Amino acid sequence: RKEVEQDPGPFNVPEGATVAFNCTYSNSASQSFFWYRQDCRKEPKLLMSVYSSGNEDGRFTAQLNRASQYISLLIRDSKLSDSATYLCVVNVAGNQFYFGTGTSLTVIP
Amino acid sequence: NAGVMQNPRHLVRRRGQEARLRCSPMKGHSHVYWYRQLPEEGLKFMVYLQKENIIDESGMPKERFSAEFPKEGPSILRIQQVVRGDSAAYFCASSPDRPNYGYTFGSGTRLTVV
Repeated sequence: RKEVEQDPGPFNVPEGATVAFNCTYSNSASQSFFWYRQDCRKEPKLLMSVYSSGNEDGRFTAQLNRASQYISLLIRDSKLSDSATYLCVVNVAGNQFYFGTGTSLTVIP
Repeated sequence: NAGVMQNPRHLVRRRGQEARLRCSPMKGHSHVYWYRQLPEEGLKFMVYLQKENIIDESGMPKERFSAEFPKEGPSILRIQQVVRGDSAAYFCASSPDRPNYGYTFGSGTRLTVV
């Protein structure tokens, strides 16, 4: 079983829409969680950390559900510039992080 | 404050040649990770190294691939006798001892085998 699983999409949404991605993880001992963003042919970049209490950064909201072992990312008022692949990342212990395969988002004018 | 530096950005090799990919971690980071991304696919973990030690190489192909992170100098990912299937983007990431904010990635090396 994969450590991290994501729906690959693609998600095609109109500008201004709200879109949500989910990600599940298999190891209940996972300690920290992140969302990364990867633009086409570029390196992944940290978008935001995910905290147990949930956290918000502008139009982006990340939530963690430890009981069900999933994390989510909500993007409100989608912009064209949000088009990218969103990677779910989980840290079980130490320095090793597990990356999901990514969810592709295209925001359409 | 330079980020993770990878070179070359693009590398073209003929089948059977060797490819050497270099990665200099961010200042203060002692942990290096190599990932491979095949066209239209996700990131695949290859190897995790600390200075002079391989910590986890569970993602490395058993043959032709090797990695090192010497006491001095960058980490090197070496691919011997390259084949067309090795064509991919190879990303290096680094982290400090306590990666509270995840990894920082380099811009990647795009290897094309012709």
